[in-house]
Amino acid sequence: DGGITQSPKYLFRKEGQNVTLSCEQNLNHDAMYWYRQDPGQGLRLIYYSQIVNDFQKGDIAEGYSVSREKKESFPLTVTSAQKNPTAFYLCASSPRGDVEAFFGQGTRLTVV
Amino acid sequence: AQSVSQHNHHVILSEAASLELGCNYSYGGTVNLFWYVQYPGQHLQLLLKYFSGDPLVKGIKGFEAEFIKSKFSFNLRKPSVQWSDTAEYFCAVIRAGNNRKLIWGLGTSLAVNP
Repeated sequence: DGGITQSPKYLFRKEGQNVTLSCEQNLNHDAMYWYRQDPGQGLRLIYYSQIVNDFQKGDIAEGYSVSREKKESFPLTVTSAQKNPTAFYLCASSPRGDVEAFFGQGTRLTVV
Repeated sequence: AQSVSQHNHHVILSEAASLELGCNYSYGGTVNLFWYVQYPGQHLQLLLKYFSGDPLVKGIKGFEAEFIKSKFSFNLRKPSVQWSDTAEYFCAVIRAGNNRKLIWGLGTSLAVNP
């Protein structure tokens, strides 16, 4: 089936550790996105990539890093510099930047 | 800065009631408009979209939305809601140009009582 796979669904980490969230798509989409969803704050864009080997910071990129070495993969690293990393993280992709995005199931990260 | 406003943060309805969720955006140029829905425990999925043409667009599950350019609005409607419509609803806008990022509203949480 075509779609976007985020893994794992739940992730627990100790404070001070970096953690990488996986996002894979087999839709052959050029654009990929990472969002953070917090209650009452909607979706906030962390990073996005419109083509392989290129990515741009979103609105809340501090404390996060990404790579886009392959078209189908866009992993997100939550670094120890992120002050409030506990959140629900959503990955999305779209054929290009101005049409609808397709979302993964999300990863709920809890840092203790 | 460009923004999207969803006026209702929490809505509670009884089954068979009519629904209208407001969405206004601040950008004056050409935009593409979307409504997404997030059912409990599920991923975000597209309800409907408007790019051009008939400003009244129909989506899945009986939802529709009307684009009113003069009011910068894209309100979501459903004549008769069901318990299964309980979800969070997000309005999103993309503006034309080089910066092609979706701008999201904060979402509206809809609870439908059986």
